[in-house]
Amino acid sequence: QSVLTQPPSASGTPGQRVTISCSGSSSNIGIYTVNWYQQLPGTAPILLIYTNNQRPSGVPDRFSGSKSGTSASLAISGLQSEDEADYYCAAWDGSLNGYVFGTGTKVSVL
Amino acid sequence: EVQLVESGGGLVQPGGSLRLSCAASGFTFSSYSVNWVRQAPGKGLEWVSYISSSSSTIYYADSVKGRFTISRDNAKNSLYLQMNSLRDEDTAVYYCARAQVGAWLALDYWGQGTPVTVSS
Repeated sequence: QSVLTQPPSASGTPGQRVTISCSGSSSNIGIYTVNWYQQLPGTAPILLIYTNNQRPSGVPDRFSGSKSGTSASLAISGLQSEDEADYYCAAWDGSLNGYVFGTGTKVSVL
Repeated sequence: EVQLVESGGGLVQPGGSLRLSCAASGFTFSSYSVNWVRQAPGKGLEWVSYISSSSSTIYYADSVKGRFTISRDNAKNSLYLQMNSLRDEDTAVYYCARAQVGAWLALDYWGQGTPVTVSS
């Protein structure tokens, strides 16, 4: 049972904006930075957003991250078919003394 | 090109042991902390363990503490995971992942994973 909660699914049509939430607590998101990962079917995860809102080189600016209090969000604007994937938030948890991943959100492009 | 290549996975009986390896190339391995992350079939990602660049700091998930041991050999550019007392619930694909410098546990490069199946 993960301590970071995400909606199990999200969807949109091409070109739409989709937002994924990640709810945590004062021992993780409340005091540590949030990272986001994208996992395409059958492949290893890739880093999508780090330190709440930073994009690694090569990640399209359609992807953006934000954090407020004990929650974080990933937004995908201009949704494309290749964005169909599972998305995970992650953060260090000071109470568990470990890195925790969110429950994961499957994004579908209708 | 940064590469992480895991090996050592396979089928093992409950209570058995397995040692995973991760060979790193394309970067100065000794300058980076590295992690093991696993994914059970059809499930989400689960962080397993962290080791700092010099091996001075190590963390484990509660689910593997006391059974798994992470280690590294910077001279061989290699990361290891010794897994003992394996349980059915340890069945997963195991990934090694590098942590980006300057961004706490932002895992910027991942291997392709090695599958571990614990079953009698």
